[in-house]
Amino acid sequence: EVQLVESGGGLVQPGGSLRLSCVVSELTFTTYEMNWVRQAPGKGLEWTSYIDGGSSYIYYADSVRGRFTISRDNAKNSVYLQMNSLRDDDTAVYYCATKVPGTNYFNQWGQGTLITVSS
Amino acid sequence: QSVLTQPPSVSGAPGQRVTISCTGTSSKSGPVYHVNWYQQVPGMAPKVLIYGDTNRPSGVPDRFSASRSGTSASLAITGLQAEDEADYYCQSFDSGHWVFGGGTKLTVL
Repeated sequence: EVQLVESGGGLVQPGGSLRLSCVVSELTFTTYEMNWVRQAPGKGLEWTSYIDGGSSYIYYADSVRGRFTISRDNAKNSVYLQMNSLRDDDTAVYYCATKVPGTNYFNQWGQGTLITVSS
Repeated sequence: QSVLTQPPSVSGAPGQRVTISCTGTSSKSGPVYHVNWYQQVPGMAPKVLIYGDTNRPSGVPDRFSASRSGTSASLAITGLQAEDEADYYCQSFDSGHWVFGGGTKLTVL
């Protein structure tokens, strides 16, 4: 079974930066399209960013475009989310999730890492 | 861009059948954007229940089923069990964005 393990969460002040990591235990990592989905406390799920296997296609939600950057290192089976100019409403659990090419659903999820933006 | 609307809550007694609607899914003459459903038990990560409108991943009980018609979709749970108490989300894709419904809290009475 594929495992996804996120790290890098914590408390950060408004305007600050944080980098999340997600390691995937899958030998064919390059075949997976990777996403970050977040969930604010007591709220629903919100997709934030996507990157394809070769880092050729990258998409962002309007709410994070220009502030967040998704990237991946296939040699390390890892995907990252660089978050800058953080705001209070970025407070959430951030999940990394895999997507199989040709489909539009997230088939595997990590356990999530909590980001709290507060002064 | 599509907006997906779900009822905030539904409830049912053990053994009953409940349905959760998801309206506003994109309907275009070009590529068809499938609807997917996730279950999220409190404190846990979401898990895919249904993908491609009607397909169950291996391991998901056949008590869970879904349908889709035009701009709406529906998740049905039969033989309700206490362990089904969770939040349920529909999800689709539109214009380079992956979109989730607001979620429905299922309470087993």
